[in-house]
Amino acid sequence: SQTIHQWPATLVQPVGSPLSLECTVEGTSNPNLYWYRQAAGRGLQLLFYSVGIGQISSEVPQNLSASRPQDRQFILSSKKLLLSDSGFYLCAWTDYNEQFFGPGTRLTVL
Amino acid sequence: GQQLNQSPQSMFIQEGEDVSMNCTSSSIFNTWLWYKQDPGEGPVLLIALYKAGELTSNGRLTAQFGITRKDSFLNISASIPSDVGIYFCAGRSSGGSNYKLTFGKGTLLTVNP
Repeated sequence: SQTIHQWPATLVQPVGSPLSLECTVEGTSNPNLYWYRQAAGRGLQLLFYSVGIGQISSEVPQNLSASRPQDRQFILSSKKLLLSDSGFYLCAWTDYNEQFFGPGTRLTVL
Repeated sequence: GQQLNQSPQSMFIQEGEDVSMNCTSSSIFNTWLWYKQDPGEGPVLLIALYKAGELTSNGRLTAQFGITRKDSFLNISASIPSDVGIYFCAGRSSGGSNYKLTFGKGTLLTVNP
């Protein structure tokens, strides 16, 4: 069966510091991968998605970036965090019809 | 872009009551998905719908793909305290990207024991 992992689970970072969040998927090949951010207001905002290694589509211009160095690995990065980057970051994968989410990373920028 | 209107935004009910929530779209969808999110966790897929008029159950949960293909409903029967959480609808538009889902803003369900 397929599983999706995210780490770290929680992170507290100062403003201006770099960020690296990692997501890996097991049990599937060539998945479509997604990064979402969920603010306290509950909605899910799609940040990036990838349909293959090295292929990244950005949905929202911001100081975040994403990379897919391996088939089942998706990384969310920032060179300098802003206060507004705080939130709950969710990675997801899809087999086209259905989308499955990871456990999430809670990021607090102070 | 695509928009999904999910209602109600929140519900406060007594244990044992039935719950109903819905989502409507401005365009035709070919897939509807319903998720539940517990606090501090990722959303979990509850039910997936692929055909207009389709009615699918998962335990006490029942969801329907509207005939117009622009709406979907989720019903929870005989609610229990562990039903507490945020319920999201999501859909894939027939005219949109095959890779992206559109999400509703969620329904926050509170169940009083």
